[in-house]
Amino acid sequence: GAGVSQTPSNKVTEKGKYVELRCDPISGHTALYWYRQSLGQGPEFLIYFQGTGAADDSGLPNDRFFAVRPEGSVSTLKIQRTERGDSAVYLCASSPIAARSYNEQFFGPGTRLTVL
Amino acid sequence: EDQVTQSPEALRLQEGESSSLNCSYTVSGLRGLFWYRQDPGKGPEFLFTLYSAGEEKEKERLKATLTKKESFLHITAPKPEDSATYLCAVHPIRDDKIIFGKGTRLHILP
Repeated sequence: GAGVSQTPSNKVTEKGKYVELRCDPISGHTALYWYRQSLGQGPEFLIYFQGTGAADDSGLPNDRFFAVRPEGSVSTLKIQRTERGDSAVYLCASSPIAARSYNEQFFGPGTRLTVL
Repeated sequence: EDQVTQSPEALRLQEGESSSLNCSYTVSGLRGLFWYRQDPGKGPEFLFTLYSAGEEKEKERLKATLTKKESFLHITAPKPEDSATYLCAVHPIRDDKIIFGKGTRLHILP
């Protein structure tokens, strides 16, 4: 079956621009996570959705970052007024099990964001 | 503060040379500890979940173990295709976020 997909695979933008990154989770997975990974670092938690609602958004670095999951499936991570420090690989993961009985997460290939 | 520290940062082994990767963690309470493999340009791939001290899990040449303060990923007679970055992550009992370590870059020489 299809895994987690993310589009675009690469995004180059200019400082100050707005970007949207899309995640299509595995069908039926209720939990969805966004992470950011810089070179040589492990993934850094950004936000977790359980269904349509953001159950934990404490990892979002500031109010320029926002994520939605309106129908409980596809999610979009939105970054306003991009800065060079936002450059990283943005990873999405989904899980079939609610966080309270957490098990494995299935990761997408990531979107590499470069802010010039 | 919850933390995950992995060592070494990088490890080069000859094919067939067994070794262990370390993951030390500090959490107020542990819901689960996870090992992932990440190949260049790809997302992490799940390997193991460990829930309690003393637990062990195996998959092919890999075995993961857990104590109250650390986890080891033992690799036995590795092959070049085992070359990857191995990530350790913890799920604290008090919330829903997963905390990853920086990973160990493993390179197996043929």
